[in-house]
Amino acid sequence: EDQVTQSPEALRLQEGESSSLNCSYTVSGLRGLFWYRQDPGKGPEFLFTLYSAGEEKEKERLKATLTKKESFLHITAPKPEDSATYLCAVQDAYSGAGSYQLTFGKGTKLSVIP
Amino acid sequence: DGGITQSPKYLFRKEGQNVTLSCEQNLNHDAMYWYRQDPGQGLRLIYYSQIVNDFQKGDIAEGYSVSREKKESFPLTVTSAQKNPTAFYLCASSRKTSGNTIYFGEGSWLTVV
Repeated sequence: EDQVTQSPEALRLQEGESSSLNCSYTVSGLRGLFWYRQDPGKGPEFLFTLYSAGEEKEKERLKATLTKKESFLHITAPKPEDSATYLCAVQDAYSGAGSYQLTFGKGTKLSVIP
Repeated sequence: DGGITQSPKYLFRKEGQNVTLSCEQNLNHDAMYWYRQDPGQGLRLIYYSQIVNDFQKGDIAEGYSVSREKKESFPLTVTSAQKNPTAFYLCASSRKTSGNTIYFGEGSWLTVV
């Protein structure tokens, strides 16, 4: 059974204080790892897809990295507008008929204080 | 603008009533999905559809039904058999089911009163 664990559950940062969010996963074979941002009462907004260990992607103050067991979302010099819940999800390459399916973690709620 | 439109945004239902949530996409995506989100839990898949007139159960399909008569539309019916229907429901779509990014709508809040 695929599993995704995100840590910490909640994180408070001062504006400008860089940090990282963790996503640990267990899958038979990774087809893709996805990061989303979700604002309260809204649908998740796509950020990144990572496909293989060693891959990195960046967008503004965010950088996602991937190893064989986990992914990190690094936030550099965050601003209050970065406050949101960040969701991690994996797609298993060997789920047979269910290989479309994303397994989500519970998310990390990030608060950036001015 | 291209995107996924869910309606209504807020819906109240009395116990014993069925309700239908609408989902329309103009992204020309083949696959569509319904997820449920509860506080403190990850998103859970209810149903998905890869092509018109075909759909498959996800992890928590009991008490729900769907149809896919048009490529653009994938409505979800929450039936009276769903024991705990109060939740945030998210519709999503992708170009194909495996390996491609899944994009989400803005969600619908269902409250049973």
